Amino acid sequence: LAKTTQPISMDSYEGQEVNITCSHNNIATNDYITWYQQFPSQGPRFIIQGYKTKVTNEVASLFIPADRKSSTLSLPRVSLSDTAVYYCLVAMYSSASKIIFGSGTRLSIRP
Amino acid sequence: GAGVSQSPSNKVTEKGKDVELRCDPISGHTALYWYRQSLGQGLEFLIYFQGNSAPDKSGLPSDRFSAERTGGSVSTLTIQRTQQEDSAVYLCARGGETGNYGYTFGSGTRLTVV
Repeated sequence: LAKTTQPISMDSYEGQEVNITCSHNNIATNDYITWYQQFPSQGPRFIIQGYKTKVTNEVASLFIPADRKSSTLSLPRVSLSDTAVYYCLVAMYSSASKIIFGSGTRLSIRP
Repeated sequence: GAGVSQSPSNKVTEKGKDVELRCDPISGHTALYWYRQSLGQGLEFLIYFQGNSAPDKSGLPSDRFSAERTGGSVSTLTIQRTQQEDSAVYLCARGGETGNYGYTFGSGTRLTVV
Protein backbone atom coordinates (compact mmCIF):
# COMPACT_ATOMS: atom_id res chain seq x y z
CA LEU A 1 0.00 0.00 0.00
CA ALA A 2 1.50 3.30 -1.08
CA LYS A 3 1.88 5.68 1.84
CA THR A 4 1.23 9.37 1.34
CA THR A 5 2.66 12.40 3.09
CA GLN A 6 1.00 15.81 3.05
CA PRO A 7 1.37 19.01 5.07
CA ILE A 8 -0.83 18.93 8.14
CA SER A 9 -2.23 22.40 7.53
CA MET A 10 -2.08 25.37 5.17
CA ASP A 11 -3.44 28.89 5.29
CA SER A 12 -4.26 31.20 2.41
CA TYR A 13 -6.47 34.11 1.44
CA GLU A 14 -9.45 34.50 -0.81
CA GLY A 15 -8.57 34.92 -4.46
CA GLN A 16 -5.19 33.23 -4.15
CA GLU A 17 -4.04 30.05 -5.86
CA VAL A 18 -3.36 27.22 -3.42
CA ASN A 19 -1.07 24.31 -4.16
CA ILE A 20 -1.03 21.26 -1.91
CA THR A 21 1.71 18.73 -2.55
CA CYS A 22 1.53 15.06 -1.64
CA SER A 23 4.49 12.69 -1.57
CA HIS A 24 4.03 9.04 -2.51
CA ASN A 25 7.50 7.63 -3.06
CA ASN A 26 6.47 3.98 -3.33
CA ILE A 27 3.60 4.41 -5.75
CA ALA A 28 2.97 1.28 -7.82
CA THR A 29 2.62 1.09 -11.59
CA ASN A 30 -1.13 0.46 -11.44
CA ASP A 31 -1.90 3.09 -8.80
CA TYR A 32 -3.96 6.17 -9.56
CA ILE A 33 -3.72 9.40 -7.57
CA THR A 34 -6.96 10.80 -6.25
CA TRP A 35 -7.78 13.84 -4.15
CA TYR A 36 -10.77 14.24 -1.88
CA GLN A 37 -12.25 17.20 -0.06
CA GLN A 38 -14.01 16.89 3.27
CA PHE A 39 -16.14 19.50 5.00
CA PRO A 40 -17.11 19.17 8.68
CA SER A 41 -19.93 16.68 9.28
CA GLN A 42 -19.76 15.34 5.74
CA GLY A 43 -18.13 12.39 4.03
CA PRO A 44 -15.15 13.00 1.71
CA ARG A 45 -15.99 14.18 -1.78
CA PHE A 46 -14.05 13.25 -4.92
CA ILE A 47 -12.23 16.22 -6.48
CA ILE A 48 -9.86 14.95 -9.14
CA GLN A 49 -7.93 11.91 -10.23
CA GLY A 50 -4.91 11.33 -12.46
CA TYR A 51 -2.27 8.86 -13.49
CA LYS A 52 0.44 11.07 -14.96
CA THR A 53 1.09 14.56 -16.35
CA LYS A 54 -1.69 17.08 -15.80
CA VAL A 55 -5.40 16.76 -15.28
CA THR A 56 -7.81 19.67 -15.06
CA ASN A 57 -11.51 19.86 -14.28
CA GLU A 58 -13.90 22.61 -13.27
CA VAL A 59 -12.74 22.46 -9.67
CA ALA A 60 -8.98 21.93 -9.67
CA SER A 61 -5.85 20.88 -11.50
CA LEU A 62 -3.61 17.97 -10.66
CA PHE A 63 0.05 18.00 -11.59
CA ILE A 64 1.98 14.74 -11.61
CA PRO A 65 5.69 14.65 -12.51
CA ALA A 66 7.15 11.93 -14.70
CA ASP A 67 8.39 9.83 -11.78
CA ARG A 68 4.92 9.99 -10.13
CA LYS A 69 6.49 10.13 -6.69
CA SER A 70 4.52 13.23 -5.83
CA SER A 71 1.49 15.15 -6.97
CA THR A 72 0.22 18.69 -6.53
CA LEU A 73 -3.38 19.71 -6.20
CA SER A 74 -3.91 23.25 -7.43
CA LEU A 75 -6.98 25.23 -6.42
CA PRO A 76 -7.33 28.44 -8.45
CA ARG A 77 -8.69 31.59 -6.81
CA VAL A 78 -9.85 30.02 -3.57
CA SER A 79 -12.81 31.27 -1.61
CA LEU A 80 -13.89 30.87 2.00
CA SER A 81 -15.93 27.84 0.99
CA ASP A 82 -12.75 25.99 0.04
CA THR A 83 -11.87 25.72 3.72
CA ALA A 84 -11.78 21.97 4.26
CA VAL A 85 -9.52 18.97 4.75
CA TYR A 86 -7.93 17.65 1.56
CA TYR A 87 -6.82 14.04 1.29
CA CYS A 88 -4.39 12.58 -1.21
CA LEU A 89 -4.99 8.93 -1.96
CA VAL A 90 -2.95 6.47 -3.99
CA ALA A 91 -4.69 3.26 -4.95
CA MET A 92 -5.29 0.76 -7.70
CA TYR A 93 -8.83 0.89 -8.97
CA SER A 94 -8.94 -2.29 -10.99
CA SER A 95 -10.44 -4.17 -8.10
CA ALA A 96 -11.55 -3.60 -4.56
CA SER A 97 -8.71 -3.39 -2.11
CA LYS A 98 -7.86 -1.99 1.29
CA ILE A 99 -7.72 1.76 0.83
CA ILE A 100 -5.90 3.77 3.47
CA PHE A 101 -6.40 7.51 3.81
CA GLY A 102 -3.58 9.66 5.13
CA SER A 103 -4.00 12.42 7.67
CA GLY A 104 -4.97 15.02 5.10
CA THR A 105 -4.20 18.73 4.84
CA ARG A 106 -6.41 21.16 6.72
CA LEU A 107 -6.76 24.20 4.47
CA SER A 108 -7.96 27.44 6.03
CA ILE A 109 -8.95 30.33 3.79
CA ARG A 110 -9.14 33.82 5.26
CA PRO A 111 -10.96 36.88 3.90
CA GLY B 1 -23.21 12.06 -0.58
CA ALA B 2 -25.52 11.35 -3.42
CA GLY B 3 -25.96 7.69 -4.16
CA VAL B 4 -24.87 6.21 -0.83
CA SER B 5 -27.44 6.20 1.93
CA GLN B 6 -26.52 5.62 5.56
CA SER B 7 -28.86 5.21 8.47
CA PRO B 8 -29.39 6.36 11.07
CA SER B 9 -27.69 9.72 10.60
CA ASN B 10 -27.31 10.04 14.36
CA LYS B 11 -27.36 7.42 17.07
CA VAL B 12 -27.02 7.87 20.80
CA THR B 13 -26.70 4.69 22.78
CA GLU B 14 -25.87 3.64 26.29
CA LYS B 15 -22.59 1.97 27.05
CA GLY B 16 -22.93 -1.79 26.76
CA LYS B 17 -25.75 -1.75 24.21
CA ASP B 18 -25.46 -3.17 20.71
CA VAL B 19 -25.93 -0.96 17.64
CA GLU B 20 -26.42 -1.62 13.95
CA LEU B 21 -25.38 0.86 11.30
CA ARG B 22 -26.71 0.51 7.77
CA CYS B 23 -25.24 1.40 4.40
CA ASP B 24 -27.08 1.23 1.09
CA PRO B 25 -24.86 1.95 -1.92
CA ILE B 26 -28.01 2.44 -4.03
CA SER B 27 -26.47 1.23 -7.28
CA GLY B 28 -24.95 -2.21 -7.71
CA HIS B 29 -21.32 -1.44 -7.04
CA THR B 30 -19.20 -4.44 -6.21
CA ALA B 31 -16.94 -2.73 -3.69
CA LEU B 32 -18.16 -1.26 -0.41
CA TYR B 33 -16.03 0.26 2.33
CA TRP B 34 -16.49 1.17 5.98
CA TYR B 35 -14.40 3.85 7.70
CA ARG B 36 -14.47 5.42 11.12
CA GLN B 37 -13.61 9.03 11.86
CA SER B 38 -13.18 10.33 15.38
CA LEU B 39 -13.60 14.02 16.07
CA GLY B 40 -10.88 16.01 14.34
CA GLN B 41 -9.11 12.91 13.12
CA GLY B 42 -8.53 11.25 9.75
CA LEU B 43 -10.36 8.27 8.30
CA GLU B 44 -9.65 4.90 9.89
CA PHE B 45 -10.19 1.95 7.56
CA LEU B 46 -12.40 -0.75 9.05
CA ILE B 47 -13.38 -3.26 6.37
CA TYR B 48 -14.21 -3.59 2.71
CA PHE B 49 -16.47 -5.92 0.75
CA GLN B 50 -15.95 -7.39 -2.69
CA GLY B 51 -19.46 -8.54 -3.47
CA ASN B 52 -20.68 -10.23 -0.30
CA SER B 53 -17.28 -11.31 0.94
CA ALA B 54 -14.86 -9.37 3.12
CA PRO B 55 -11.29 -10.33 2.15
CA ASP B 56 -9.70 -8.14 4.81
CA LYS B 57 -11.15 -7.70 8.28
CA SER B 58 -7.91 -6.59 9.88
CA GLY B 59 -9.11 -3.02 10.30
CA LEU B 60 -11.92 -3.92 12.69
CA PRO B 61 -10.87 -2.52 16.09
CA SER B 62 -11.99 -5.53 18.15
CA ASP B 63 -14.13 -8.64 18.06
CA ARG B 64 -17.07 -6.48 19.17
CA PHE B 65 -17.19 -5.18 15.61
CA SER B 66 -18.63 -7.20 12.75
CA ALA B 67 -20.01 -6.44 9.32
CA GLU B 68 -21.97 -8.24 6.70
CA ARG B 69 -23.30 -7.59 3.25
CA THR B 70 -26.15 -9.39 1.58
CA GLY B 71 -27.18 -9.52 -2.06
CA GLY B 72 -24.15 -7.53 -3.05
CA SER B 73 -25.90 -4.39 -1.89
CA VAL B 74 -26.83 -3.29 1.63
CA SER B 75 -24.23 -3.66 4.37
CA THR B 76 -24.62 -3.61 8.13
CA LEU B 77 -21.90 -2.75 10.64
CA THR B 78 -22.67 -4.10 14.10
CA ILE B 79 -20.98 -3.00 17.29
CA GLN B 80 -21.68 -5.15 20.32
CA ARG B 81 -21.35 -3.99 23.92
CA THR B 82 -20.55 -0.44 22.84
CA GLN B 83 -17.89 1.52 24.67
CA GLN B 84 -17.37 5.26 24.88
CA GLU B 85 -14.29 5.02 22.64
CA ASP B 86 -16.58 3.73 19.89
CA SER B 87 -18.05 7.22 19.59
CA ALA B 88 -17.23 8.48 16.11
CA VAL B 89 -18.68 9.07 12.67
CA TYR B 90 -18.94 5.84 10.70
CA LEU B 91 -18.64 6.39 6.95
CA CYS B 92 -19.53 4.05 4.14
CA ALA B 93 -18.28 4.35 0.56
CA ARG B 94 -18.81 2.55 -2.71
CA GLY B 95 -16.45 2.22 -5.61
CA GLY B 96 -13.29 0.49 -6.68
CA GLU B 97 -14.29 -0.67 -10.13
CA THR B 98 -12.19 -0.30 -13.24
CA GLY B 99 -12.60 3.14 -14.69
CA ASN B 100 -14.51 4.34 -11.67
CA TYR B 101 -12.88 7.60 -10.82
CA GLY B 102 -13.01 7.74 -7.10
CA TYR B 103 -15.22 6.58 -4.30
CA THR B 104 -18.61 7.93 -3.34
CA PHE B 105 -19.13 8.39 0.38
CA GLY B 106 -22.29 8.59 2.38
CA SER B 107 -22.85 11.33 4.94
CA GLY B 108 -22.09 8.95 7.77
CA THR B 109 -23.65 7.87 11.03
CA ARG B 110 -22.63 9.86 14.07
CA LEU B 111 -22.49 7.41 16.97
CA THR B 112 -22.38 8.70 20.51
CA VAL B 113 -21.97 6.25 23.37
CA VAL B 114 -22.96 7.68 26.74
